[in-house]
Amino acid sequence: AQSVTQLGSHVSVSEGALVLLRCNYSSSVPPYLFWYVQYPNQGLQLLLKYTSAATLVKGINGFEAEFKKSETSFHLTKPSAHMSDAAEYFCAVSKTGANSKLTFGKGITLSVRP
Amino acid sequence: KAGVTQTPRYLIKTRGQQVTLSCSPISGHRSVSWYQQTPGQGLQFLFEYFSETQRNKGNFPGRFSGRQFSNSRSEMNVSTLELGDSALYLCASSLDTYNSPLHFGNGTRLTVT
Repeated sequence: AQSVTQLGSHVSVSEGALVLLRCNYSSSVPPYLFWYVQYPNQGLQLLLKYTSAATLVKGINGFEAEFKKSETSFHLTKPSAHMSDAAEYFCAVSKTGANSKLTFGKGITLSVRP
Repeated sequence: KAGVTQTPRYLIKTRGQQVTLSCSPISGHRSVSWYQQTPGQGLQFLFEYFSETQRNKGNFPGRFSGRQFSNSRSEMNVSTLELGDSALYLCASSLDTYNSPLHFGNGTRLTVT
């Protein structure tokens, strides 16, 4: 069975600082990996996805993630945090590539200090 | 194009009652999935419907059921509500082609008292 682990539940950065949100996966087959963002009182929005085409994946809002098979990781980064990035971020994995049955991590709340 | 619409937005029910939640997918999307989100368990997959057939199912008791209509609209039903069913229920639709992403609605917040 596949799973994802997001260490820590809360990350706080200053505006303009690097954002790094960690995600490690466990999968018996080559995984499909996703990062979603959830703003308060809203549903989830896809930031980016890895589907084996390229190990460095660029997403929306300046975010990117790098797939590292040797480390079983798919960490999310953004060079410079903006106040509007404050939200909850979820890493998710799918075995089949079908987007319909995702296994989500617990989520990380990102706070951005002025 | 309108997004995924979930109704109602908020719902308060009493233990033992049943509830029906509705989801209208994005036009043209034939796959509809449901997820339960709670602070303790996070996001958990409930089930997925495609062309009126349940295609995938998560590990939830039989009290949780769903269906999909010919216009792709979907409903989920929870019978004999328990306090632990209090959660945000999220619906997501997809084109169901390779790499097509899930589009989530804003959810229905269910509170069971």
